[in-house]
Amino acid sequence: GQNIDQPTEMTATEGAIVQINCTYQTSGFNGLFWYQQHAGEAPTFLSYNVLDGLEEKGRFSSFLSRSKGYSYLLLKELQMKDSASYLCAVREKTGGFKTIFGAGTRLFVKA
Amino acid sequence: GAVVSQHPSWVICKSGTSVKIECRSLDFQATTMFWYRQFPKQSLMLMATSNEGSKATYEQGVEKDKFLINHASLTLSTLTVTSAHPEDSSFYICSAKGEGEKLFFGSGTQLSVL
Repeated sequence: GQNIDQPTEMTATEGAIVQINCTYQTSGFNGLFWYQQHAGEAPTFLSYNVLDGLEEKGRFSSFLSRSKGYSYLLLKELQMKDSASYLCAVREKTGGFKTIFGAGTRLFVKA
Repeated sequence: GAVVSQHPSWVICKSGTSVKIECRSLDFQATTMFWYRQFPKQSLMLMATSNEGSKATYEQGVEKDKFLINHASLTLSTLTVTSAHPEDSSFYICSAKGEGEKLFFGSGTQLSVL
């Protein structure tokens, strides 16, 4: 089985930096993803980490520590359009491959 | 990038009827597709893994006779909600694994059962 935890809600100010944490427990770890989802829309891919360390992509960065079962998504220079839910997802190999999602963190960016 | 088309976007049906949702990968082949269900303000719950040419793998607690999945080709998977009831009302989303292990999602189907 698997257990993925992330904060329910966060609020940050436009232009600031916010870090969204995710901890997980899973067997057969095969990668960790972050997705962004605006209300009523499908999730869109943000990042993928399979090795330890930091992956930077523009304003977004994602970090993974497999030994600690921990990841974070870092959003810099926040914009109002960044207000959305951010889903931490773990891909595991148990027979086949499947991706399990955390409950998501709703980020509110205020002016 | 890879595109996944899901149809219909929304459907309203009477209790007891069946509803079919289609998921197509438009510019790539997907031997495996996934079906998720999402309740308001909640995350995606994996329902089943759809494998081309073989039976779907259902997650624990998901009734395979109620949620029929067919993956007849490398670009099409269908989910049929049989004998739908109001508690089946939800947002259903399909996804397919594309380049770089990413999941590409369809736009989702909002099902409302009256």
